Amino acid sequence: AQTIHQWPVAEIKAVGSPLSLGCTIKGKSSPNLYWYWQATGGTLQQLFYSITVGQVESVVQLNLSASRPKDDQFILSTEKLLLSHSGFYLCAWSPGQGYEQYFGPGTRLTVL
Amino acid sequence: GQQVKQSSPSLTVQEGGISILNCDYENDMFDYFAWYKKYPDNSPTLLISVRSNVDKREDGRLTVFLNKSGKHFSLHITASQPEDTAVYLCAADHSGGSNYKLTFGKGTLLTVTP
Repeated sequence: AQTIHQWPVAEIKAVGSPLSLGCTIKGKSSPNLYWYWQATGGTLQQLFYSITVGQVESVVQLNLSASRPKDDQFILSTEKLLLSHSGFYLCAWSPGQGYEQYFGPGTRLTVL
Repeated sequence: GQQVKQSSPSLTVQEGGISILNCDYENDMFDYFAWYKKYPDNSPTLLISVRSNVDKREDGRLTVFLNKSGKHFSLHITASQPEDTAVYLCAADHSGGSNYKLTFGKGTLLTVTP
């Protein structure tokens, strides 16, 4: 069975500080990987997707970047956090395009 | 514009009744449709999905109805229970598209009262 793990569970960070969020999927080779973000009270928005190692495409510009250094790992980062980056970050995987997406447990980010 | 719309932000149903959640979409290229369930501060969980070659799919108490000409799909939950209380998100995708984007609605909060 596939498992998806996100770290950290929660973060409280200062405006202007760097950020790195991680996601690992086990039990599935060459998955499509996705980063989503949901502001409090907002809609779930897709930020990035990756269909292969080393290749990441941006869907929404939020002064964030993403990388896929390994087949099973997806990283979301920024060098300078903004207040507007607060929210719930979710990683997801799917076996391909137009298939079910399965979400990780999420990371709650609070920027002060 | 919003490509996937859930026009009802909330719905209250009595225990044992049928919950009907609705979703409208704009992009007629969408060919994959899904419903997710989400508790506060938790990630969405896939409930049921359907492709455009069928207009109905059942799984236990859940049924998805797809009306392609009306660009509308719905989730029916029979024998609703208090444990069904959650936010329900609809989502749609174009499997042949180039941007690998699953588009979500804003969600409908379903409350099932005892």
